[in-house]
Order: sequence, then C-alpha cells, then structure tokens
Amino acid sequence: NAGVTQTPKFQVLKTGQSMTLQCAQDMNHEYMSWYRQDPGMGLRLIHYSVGAGITDQGEVPNGYNVSRSTTEDFPLRLLSAAPSQTSVYFCASRTTGTNQETQYFGPGTRLLVL
Amino acid sequence: GDSVTQMEGPVTLSEEAFLTINCTYTATGYPSLFWYVQYPGEGLQLLLKATKADDKGSNKGFEATYRKETTSFHLEKGSVQVSDSAVYFCALSDRTGRRALTFGSGTRLQVQP
Repeated sequence: NAGVTQTPKFQVLKTGQSMTLQCAQDMNHEYMSWYRQDPGMGLRLIHYSVGAGITDQGEVPNGYNVSRSTTEDFPLRLLSAAPSQTSVYFCASRTTGTNQETQYFGPGTRLLVL
Repeated sequence: GDSVTQMEGPVTLSEEAFLTINCTYTATGYPSLFWYVQYPGEGLQLLLKATKADDKGSNKGFEATYRKETTSFHLEKGSVQVSDSAVYFCALSDRTGRRALTFGSGTRLQVQP
C-alpha cells in the first residue's frame, strides 16, 4: 500500500511551457484534491474531485486544469506556466463516508517557473 | 468564508519545555478541526483531530480541545523533543459542498537540545 504518490518531486519550467503533475492513490478513495503551498499562506485548494468523471474548482483554480478518468489518478495540468505558479504542490485523497474526513497527502512536487 | 488563524512563528523552545500553538477559526456550521504536521522535506501528516465541540484529540503527547465558545483549537504538548521540530498546520473541514480543508498559515517549531 503506497498511499498517495506524486511525480515528479522537482521540476523547473520556463514561462509558457506546459506540464502535468501526476498523482495516484491506491486506497480506493473517492475524493482527491490538489493544493499549493506558498510561504506564509498555508495550503490553498486548487481543484478537487469527488469521483471519476467529476471535478470542480477550489480557491485558486486559474491556470490549472484537471481531469479524473479513473479512481486512482488525478493529474494536474499547467497549460502555460507562469512565475506565479512557482510553489510546492500537494495531492491529497480521502474517502467520502461520514466521519471519514482524514485526508492523506502525497510527498509534494516542488515547481520552479523561470 | 471559512478561515483559520494561527500564531506566527517560528516558535523556539528548549527540549522538555511546554508547547502551546494557538489556533482560532471562523466557519459556518460545525466543522471538524485538525492539526497536521510537516517535517522537513515531507508532505503533511495528520497529527490529531476533533469532530465536535468539547472533543479532545490526542496523539504522540500532543493534545487539542475543540472549544466552540471561543472558536479555538490550541495545540499543546507538555514536554517537547528535538524530533518535534516541524511546521504545524491547523485546519478545518467544512461538512458541506467541497469538504475541503481550510488551512492556517502554519507555525514553525524549533526545539533546541
């Protein structure tokens, strides 16, 4: 049981380049989400999904796209990277049952946009 | 909207000192409350949680009590160790709609031997 995995661990992009951050979980969790972590600001929700085929926007969705074709995978796409997207990105998952509110986080992807 | 306010860090303590990290929240309804810990270079791990008023969450010597009257969830530990050095995040989970976590800005704890 690997939990939540993320790749890559670190990436450098030039402004305007595109890339996909990968996230996978093997716990059969329905709910998955992406957060970004910036200094002094805690974590902010980018997008989330309550199941395969269902996604929705979080607090800071601009510049990011997501899709959820399987229960296991929830990739985050940057179509045209900007320096403001330099951050650490965390993927998380949880079940959607009542009182099952603990979210499990991946190790993070550190992204630098030049 | 929902929000979480934490005391600013860094908090620097000597080993075996008493720790308090303050956390207050604003939310509609009755959220669940969490403390997450992030060790250097790692992701976030759940430290403890409380799902209703007056509940006390505890783990690894850390405790926090859900105080509805003061909208607080302060983290405490009686005797810190060097290995407790990390960043601590207070968070709440709304029970409607997104069920996402709203985080505080984090408090860095440094414990000196």
